[in-house]
Amino acid sequence: GQNIDQPTEMTATEGAIVQINCTYQTSGFNGLFWYQQHAAEAPTFLSYNVLDGLEEKGRFSSFLSRSKGYSYLLLKELQMKDSASYLCAVKSGQNFVFGPGTRLSVLP
Amino acid sequence: EAGVVQSPRYKIIEKKQPVAFWCNPISGHNTLYWYRQNLGQGPELLIRYENEEAVDDSQLPKDRFSAERLKGVDSTLKIQPAELGDSAVYLCASSFRSGSKYNEQFFGPGTRLTVL
Repeated sequence: GQNIDQPTEMTATEGAIVQINCTYQTSGFNGLFWYQQHAAEAPTFLSYNVLDGLEEKGRFSSFLSRSKGYSYLLLKELQMKDSASYLCAVKSGQNFVFGPGTRLSVLP
Repeated sequence: EAGVVQSPRYKIIEKKQPVAFWCNPISGHNTLYWYRQNLGQGPELLIRYENEEAVDDSQLPKDRFSAERLKGVDSTLKIQPAELGDSAVYLCASSFRSGSKYNEQFFGPGTRLTVL
């Protein structure tokens, strides 16, 4: 079966750091993706991991441990515009399996 | 470069009525996906096309849903008849051929369907 878990909601303060976790159990693994989705908008690509370790891209970093079926997205220097849902997705075979998303609220 | 185009953006219909959604992927993208996203949840795959071939439609409720991608470019997703539970956002995404491990999906803005 395919199962991806993420916390439903998180709250953080502007300027802070937040870590959004994702655990997965999938029948295949061809990479893990993180997407950002603002309300009533389409998901947009943030990061991709296929090997273990940390990928850094500006204020956003993503980590993967394939042996643990675990990833996290780290957001630094939070801004109000970072308030959105963050979707973890595993490419299993040729399809993408999405988690339920984590709704992040950034407070002033 | 134009992104993935979808229309309409919003659709309100009564149950038992038919409805169709249209998607124009990014030029050159062979792979096209249709997803359904319910409120507060992640997208769920309905169907994946490689060019004009539906290579995975295992999650498509075939009793009422149908899709086509003539000429391997634009695609149409149809529901007939619609039920109350079909209310959701229908997302189209495209990417280059899915044979490689890494191929980023680009999503369209979605069609928000409300069935009354």
